[in-house]
Amino acid sequence: RKEVEQDPGPFNVPEGATVAFNCTYSNSASQSFFWYRQDCRKEPKLLMSVYSSGNEDGRFTAQLNRASQYISLLIRDSKLSDSATYLCVVKGDYGGSQGNLIFGKGTKLSVKP
Amino acid sequence: DAMVIQNPRYQVTQFGKPVTLSCSQTLNHNVMYWYQQKSSQAPKLLFHYYDKDFNNEADTPDNFQSRRPNTSFCFLDIRSPGLGDAAMYLCATSSRGAGETQYFGPGTRLLVL
Repeated sequence: RKEVEQDPGPFNVPEGATVAFNCTYSNSASQSFFWYRQDCRKEPKLLMSVYSSGNEDGRFTAQLNRASQYISLLIRDSKLSDSATYLCVVKGDYGGSQGNLIFGKGTKLSVKP
Repeated sequence: DAMVIQNPRYQVTQFGKPVTLSCSQTLNHNVMYWYQQKSSQAPKLLFHYYDKDFNNEADTPDNFQSRRPNTSFCFLDIRSPGLGDAAMYLCATSSRGAGETQYFGPGTRLLVL
C-alpha cells in the first residue's frame, strides 16, 4: 500500500462548481498533514495545513479523519485560477523519516469557463 | 524578498557527463532538501541536511551526491547521469521548530541526451 494515495483525476469542472479531493495515508503515527498546490512546471506551494478540528481558508476547507486515515480538501466557487495539481502531503514523524514530507502523486483540477 | 533560488532553471547534459545543480536560500533555514520529481509523479526526497548533518534516503542511488558548504548553499551532484535521471529537481528549505513548513525553489529541469 502506498504511503499517501490520491485520485489522480483529472477533475474537469465548470467555474463556480464545488469540488472535493480525497486522500488516504497508511501510517497511523503521522502527525502533520498539508495540502500543497503545484502549477504546471512550477514548484509545489503550501496551500494550507490540515488540523484535526478541520479548518477553512476562504473558499478552501480541509478536514482530517484520523480514525479512517483520510484527508479531504473542498474548494467552493471554483475559479479558473484554481486549475492546478493538488498534492496531499503527510509529515513523517516516525523512524528515519522524521520531519520529512511524504507526497501523494496529486490530483489534477481543471476549471473551465 | 527572502526566497529559495535554484540555478539553472533548465540544464541539458549528456549521458554519463557529471552535472551539478545549485540551490541557495536567503531564509536562513537550517534544513535543506533535494527532491526529484518525474512527470505525473510525486516529489521524491533524495536527501536532506539538518545543519551540516547529511541524511540520505535509503533508496537514493549512489549516483546522487550532495554538498552543503554553508547555511545558504546546497548542491546536487549527479556523477553519471542516465536517461532515467531526467526530471525536475526541487530544492526546499525549512526551519525546524518554526512550524516546519517547507519552502520550495522553482526547480531545475534536467534533460539527459
